[in-house]
Amino acid sequence: GEDVEQSLFLSVREGDSSVINCTYTDSSSTYLYWYKQEPGAGLQLLTYIFSNMDMKQDQRLTVLLNKKDKHLSLRIADTQTGDSAIYFCAETSTSGTYKYIFGTGTRLKVLA
Amino acid sequence: DVKVTQSSRYLVKRTGEKVFLECVQDMDHENMFWYRQDPGLGLRLIYFSYDVKMKEKGDIPEGYSVSREKKERFSLILESASTNQTSMYLCASPTPDNTEAFFGQGTRLTVV
Repeated sequence: GEDVEQSLFLSVREGDSSVINCTYTDSSSTYLYWYKQEPGAGLQLLTYIFSNMDMKQDQRLTVLLNKKDKHLSLRIADTQTGDSAIYFCAETSTSGTYKYIFGTGTRLKVLA
Repeated sequence: DVKVTQSSRYLVKRTGEKVFLECVQDMDHENMFWYRQDPGLGLRLIYFSYDVKMKEKGDIPEGYSVSREKKERFSLILESASTNQTSMYLCASPTPDNTEAFFGQGTRLTVV
């Protein structure tokens, strides 16, 4: 079945760039997403990328998609303490039903 | 601006009790999902519904059932709560074009 994998933890210093990585197995993925979860809250969409794109930039966020290797990354420039959260990679596809498959989440800790 | 509302933030139930978790969305969406979130495991899909009275099992349906009598409401039912169902439960509803899924704030359920 479909699987999405992420590393569990990442620690960076304030002002540095953060790169969170994700690999997925479903070759029919249509959309790939990055969600952010702050403590005690639900998930909020940060950005998404359509599978026929290889890059998307949105202010401090850059998403890179390598479809051949089924690898997705999220780069956060000038990371701030407010960026500390759990980041989830997710994918959905048009094959079958529109299920959202989420990764394990990466807990980003930003050190002042 | 509330889009997806879960009826309780915190619940404590006894082993063997029947538990109802309610989710309401105000966006007139067809699709609704129930996930559970556990540390290191990410979000795992329990059940989803793509229309009133329609449901499909996700990856971990055992011990759960669902009800979708009205379009805006999707209920998750724990038939006989067990301690291994202690978790954070998240309801979500995606837009028709699948560019974003809106999440409720989550229900943290403790079964004692």
